[in-house]
Amino acid sequence: EIVLTQSPGTLSLSPGERATLSCRASQSVARNYLAWYQKKRGQAPRLLIYGTSNRASGIPDRFSGSGSETDFMLTISRLEPEDFAEYFCQKYGGSPAVTFGGGTKLEIK
Amino acid sequence: QVQLQQWGAGLVKPSETLSLTCAASGGSFTSSSWTWVRQSPGKGLEWIGEISHSAKPDYNPSFLGRVTISISTSTRQFSLRLTSVTAADTGDYFCARLTVFHYMDIWAKGTSVTVSS
Repeated sequence: EIVLTQSPGTLSLSPGERATLSCRASQSVARNYLAWYQKKRGQAPRLLIYGTSNRASGIPDRFSGSGSETDFMLTISRLEPEDFAEYFCQKYGGSPAVTFGGGTKLEIK
Repeated sequence: QVQLQQWGAGLVKPSETLSLTCAASGGSFTSSSWTWVRQSPGKGLEWIGEISHSAKPDYNPSFLGRVTISISTSTRQFSLRLTSVTAADTGDYFCARLTVFHYMDIWAKGTSVTVSS
């Protein structure tokens, strides 16, 4: 089983700051099969990034994704108030076919 | 533009069956795969399984023996059944469209399910 480990578990930052979220895989994940989601309480997850670095439709360009093999990153260049939420990485491949990381909670400092 | 709407019982008794249905409107139903994801209180997202009209369902081994995902192309719906539920199955359940690269680009709003007597 490929395990995705996200760090940090909680990230406390202020609006305007830069956020860097990590997703580490226990085995290599193909770039095409790594995605990131934003999740707010009471809402469905929202696709941010797919294929490691492609922004989904309507996602602001302050969100960017990078990485390869076992190390992936989501960067939010300048935090807006609406960006404070929980973020999950997700991979496809192996068994189970789809798994999510444990999440990073981005909170206002 | 595909939109998803889901429904089902919000309260299920222990040992009984959780049943949810998701309907897709707009776009092509048969060219996509469809999936169920849940989030238990205080926990992360958990993939339950997926289905398309042309392939057998694929399930998370954590749910094997309890889960059935079915699909109806005539009604553009797919459904989740989870048997023998316990309190650990309490959570928010979401249906979503699964793309060819297995990310989920369209989501329904979710159903909050509580397992309690």
